[in-house]
Amino acid sequence: DARVTQTPRHKVTEMGQEVTMRCQPILGHNTVFWYRQTMMQGLELLAYFRNRAPLDDSGMPKDRFSAEMPDATLATLKIQPSEPRDSAVYFCASGLVNEETQYFGPGTRLLVL
Amino acid sequence: QKEVEQDPGPLSVPEGAIVSLNCTYSNSAFQYFMWYRQYSRKGPELLMYTYSSGNKEDGRFTAQVDKSSKYISLFIRDSQPSDSATYLCAMSVGSNYQLIWGAGTKLIIKP
Repeated sequence: DARVTQTPRHKVTEMGQEVTMRCQPILGHNTVFWYRQTMMQGLELLAYFRNRAPLDDSGMPKDRFSAEMPDATLATLKIQPSEPRDSAVYFCASGLVNEETQYFGPGTRLLVL
Repeated sequence: QKEVEQDPGPLSVPEGAIVSLNCTYSNSAFQYFMWYRQYSRKGPELLMYTYSSGNKEDGRFTAQVDKSSKYISLFIRDSQPSDSATYLCAMSVGSNYQLIWGAGTKLIIKP
């Protein structure tokens, strides 16, 4: 049963701390997306990778957020330093180039105190 | 004004009713239209996918696209309490382009 996995599922941290979220896309998928979901803003695209190359990270606050794909089986999203306004659920999704369908992971629920 | 508008609800209906969920959009270049379902504390999952105009049916679910009105709908027949979730519409101008998401409509089916 192929699925996107994300770790950790929950994270509580204090303002100013570094947060690292990890995602394992579905094997064989070559597009990866990072989203943030809040009640106020809904689902926001933060970053988009194709074949491990970053294509669009315009939705990401550059001063504190960074996204990477060290290899085809791992995507990371880092926040440093974290702020209370970063509290949200962060989703990773993967898919195939030339297909519109995105497959979502279970999300990382982040609370920054 | 957002590119995709969707009423956040909540929409509460009795079990067995027909449910109609809708999105409007402003970009006439959108070609691919999707409906995702998101249960509480879970990630969105693809429910229906339609290319261009027309209807698509899958069991109790029917997706409808009216490009002339820039309006898409999802109909759920014989609604069940297990259909209670948030339904998000998403659309794209083509493959290799980003999905543009609606805000999601929270649906509650009362037993």
